[in-house]
Amino acid sequence: LAKTTQPISMDSYEGQEVNITCSHNNIATNDYITWYQQFPSQGPRFIIQGYKTKVTNEVASLFIPADRKSSTLSLPRVSLSDTAVYYCLVATGGFKTIFGAGTRLFVKA
Amino acid sequence: SQTIHQWPATLVQPVGSPLSLECTVEGTSNPNLYWYRQAAGRGLQLLFYSVGIGQISSEVPQNLSASRPQDRQFILSSKKLLLSDSGFYLCAWRMDRGYNEQFFGPGTRLTVL
Repeated sequence: LAKTTQPISMDSYEGQEVNITCSHNNIATNDYITWYQQFPSQGPRFIIQGYKTKVTNEVASLFIPADRKSSTLSLPRVSLSDTAVYYCLVATGGFKTIFGAGTRLFVKA
Repeated sequence: SQTIHQWPATLVQPVGSPLSLECTVEGTSNPNLYWYRQAAGRGLQLLFYSVGIGQISSEVPQNLSASRPQDRQFILSSKKLLLSDSGFYLCAWRMDRGYNEQFFGPGTRLTVL
């Protein structure tokens, strides 16, 4: 399974765009990049998944360069309720899923 | 729609006591099931996963065990709890293999004293 590296923590202010970058240098051809969000005392929930270029949904955008060795989760105009831990995962075709330490995003008023 | 249940929500147990945490999934068949543990302020640690009844894969050698007696039931057990077993235990399910999203239960907060 490809290892991921992401910043331990980030601070932002309400209304700003937040970009969290994840590196996954050993990503394999068939792997996808997946992001989850976790609030305190809750289980993680899926945010977005992509293979290459750009994916956008109602919550976030995911940018993946051509070499796929990194990815960036973009949260537009964050609010206080976006304060959470964000996990970057490499999804393989196997049964196991490995969550790293994640990035703690703290949004200030 | 599918739902996942875990109980109990919180648990305080003395060191050396047994443990049984239960997870059930509704609204789907033959899901892949997972147990994770999260220590305070840390990421999720995969403990066990199961692809079918009676099929358990262990990721971390420890004093915990898992069982899947029914298709949509996953149980985490211990014969003797350690202080280091304290944490937030999460059960999750997913259909098929790793490209699909995982759905997590509400979790069990275990404190071992």
